[in-house]
Amino acid sequence: DTGVSQDPRHKITKRGQNVTFRCDPISEHNRLYWYRQTLGQGPEFLTYFQNEAQLEKSRLLSDRFSAERPKGSFSTLEIQRTEQGDSAMYLCASRPKDRLGTEAFFGQGTRLTVV
Amino acid sequence: GQQVMQIPQYQHVQEGEDFTTYCNSSTTLSNIQWYKQRPGGHPVFLIQLVKSGEVKKQKRLTFQFGEAKKNSSLHITATQTTDVGTYFCAGGTDSWGKLQFGAGTQVVVTP
Repeated sequence: DTGVSQDPRHKITKRGQNVTFRCDPISEHNRLYWYRQTLGQGPEFLTYFQNEAQLEKSRLLSDRFSAERPKGSFSTLEIQRTEQGDSAMYLCASRPKDRLGTEAFFGQGTRLTVV
Repeated sequence: GQQVMQIPQYQHVQEGEDFTTYCNSSTTLSNIQWYKQRPGGHPVFLIQLVKSGEVKKQKRLTFQFGEAKKNSSLHITATQTTDVGTYFCAGGTDSWGKLQFGAGTQVVVTP
């Protein structure tokens, strides 16, 4: 168990619906990342938080995606008006503070299926 | 933008054989990390390389970082069935720790 927990593990939704995923990082980690992984590909960076501040957002992330980390602890990723192309595994990872190149601890992921 | 390429995409290995997977970045990296993902699982950290020309070993796994810090390799000797999974390299270029992953090498081991 890596200590990063994600909820739900699986989500099936109809196209056009909104979905929200939650990530609880390891408690002393101030850095939190969201990645998306499709079949046969490596994880793709979506966005990064340092404490509660969202410092970077991938250009791949459309306006339908929004992420928050209101108190610098857990984070949520919301997808509005889901499309079939949003079907993927959404991975959250966390890292401890201020150590360049330390390992990222990944959660089990949320597998989204848009039908 | 930065791209990380990995080859081969698939690797079928007979148990006991050796194999190598290669990773190449279009830009110079500050560090490279390797992760293993079992079928149905999530990426799990294996190792990090930071220095030019660095070589690190973990039992049967040998990791290498190129002199120019743009390529890396993972060599596994005497493959076992427990080595099954997808191996990803991930390059880091900034101080925020964002990682650029390759597409991975999926390893299948035949007993």
